[in-house]
Amino acid sequence: NAGVTQTPKFRVLKTGQSMTLLCAQDMNHEYMYWYRQDPGMGLRLIHYSVGEGTTAKGEVPDGYNVSRLKKQNFLLGLESAAPSQTSVYFCASSYRTMKADTEAFFGQGTRLTVV
Amino acid sequence: AQSVAQPEDQVNVAEGNPLTVKCTYSVSGNPYLFWYVQYPNRGLQFLLKYITGDNLVKGSYGFEAEFNKSQTSFHLKKPSALVSDSALYFCAVRWITGGGNKLTFGTGTQLKVEL
Repeated sequence: NAGVTQTPKFRVLKTGQSMTLLCAQDMNHEYMYWYRQDPGMGLRLIHYSVGEGTTAKGEVPDGYNVSRLKKQNFLLGLESAAPSQTSVYFCASSYRTMKADTEAFFGQGTRLTVV
Repeated sequence: AQSVAQPEDQVNVAEGNPLTVKCTYSVSGNPYLFWYVQYPNRGLQFLLKYITGDNLVKGSYGFEAEFNKSQTSFHLKKPSALVSDSALYFCAVRWITGGGNKLTFGTGTQLKVEL
């Protein structure tokens, strides 16, 4: 099983450039998430999706957009990259339950540097 | 808002000694608590979870966690640490929102196990 796959693994952008990070999962999960990880701040939720065609804002959504056109894919876009968006980005997915008792599965991360 | 706190940025322990990584939570309603581990340059891996029932939860790699409702804590423990346990550990709480459910992380605790 591939699980959760993120593309690319590394990227360097210039300020103002745009890019899209791709997350793909093969577990038929309904929920998908994008987090950023910064030293001393843990993981912070950027955007999430509870199903195909639906997205919602997390804690730190500014400067990012997302789309979930297919159930297995969750795209994170940066329209105009800023140095403050230098971070490690993680995608995660999980089953939908009536409660909140299922664990999430994470991708390997994308290390993004904006210069 | 639901939250978890990890009061220690780093925990050092000698191999063979017991280890504890602390986590406290603040949630309304029933807490769904998780521990994840992150090895260098890797994504997060699920270790264990508390949903309901026995306050002592057993997980992967010999880890366990003790849920204490009166102290609102969910500390991660292992009776005998290994050098290979050295990693970054995250406590998380999962909770239900109007748009699905979210997973909120603590800031992480770096565990260093030395010979």
